[in-house]
Amino acid sequence: DAKTTQPNSMESNEEEPVHLPCNHSTISGTDYIHWYRQLPSQGPEYVIHGLTSNVNNRMASLAIAEDRKSSTLILHRATLRDAAVYYCILIEGKTSYDKVIFGPGTSLSVIP
Amino acid sequence: GAVVSQHPSRVICKSGTSVKIECRSLDFQATTMFWYRQFPKQSLMLMATSNEGSKATYEQGVEKDKFLINHASLTLSTLTVTSAHPEDSSFYICSARVRTVRTEAFFGQGTRLTVV
Repeated sequence: DAKTTQPNSMESNEEEPVHLPCNHSTISGTDYIHWYRQLPSQGPEYVIHGLTSNVNNRMASLAIAEDRKSSTLILHRATLRDAAVYYCILIEGKTSYDKVIFGPGTSLSVIP
Repeated sequence: GAVVSQHPSRVICKSGTSVKIECRSLDFQATTMFWYRQFPKQSLMLMATSNEGSKATYEQGVEKDKFLINHASLTLSTLTVTSAHPEDSSFYICSARVRTVRTEAFFGQGTRLTVV
């Protein structure tokens, strides 16, 4: 399985932007870059995903490096509700059978 | 987005009994469903992958006779923890992927199992 590397933890002040990095140097051409987050005692929640181009949605933005070996999840204005563990995961795009394997993720703390 | 409903959200059972957890995709057909287990302060650990109408594929170290998975339809998968013991106490989470070109995975709310 292709793997990702993320910092164990990060802190942000409330209402400031947050940039969560992810390295995936062994990514293959058919791997999509996905981000999920997990709030305490809940199942993971889909945040955003992309293949090559930067992506924006109502929750976040995803910036993908030109060589696709790294990406950054951007939360434009952190709120206390954004405190969660964020997982960067590579999911192969050809089939729905591919396993979704979680790494340790980044635990984001938001300081009021 | 697509909705995955998991039931029950919490269950307490006695040691030696069996517990069934249901996972339903409410508004889409799930070709593949995954079951995870998560211990406190740890990441999700994949237990098994199930495709509709076929036997589940278990990850190494997961006892298939203890964790019975059935994926009888495109919208329902069940996990039965048989002869539960206190060490089986954990947070169990199901996930489903859509039977289209979409690649996202959608997750249930999780089930907190406590075996006493």
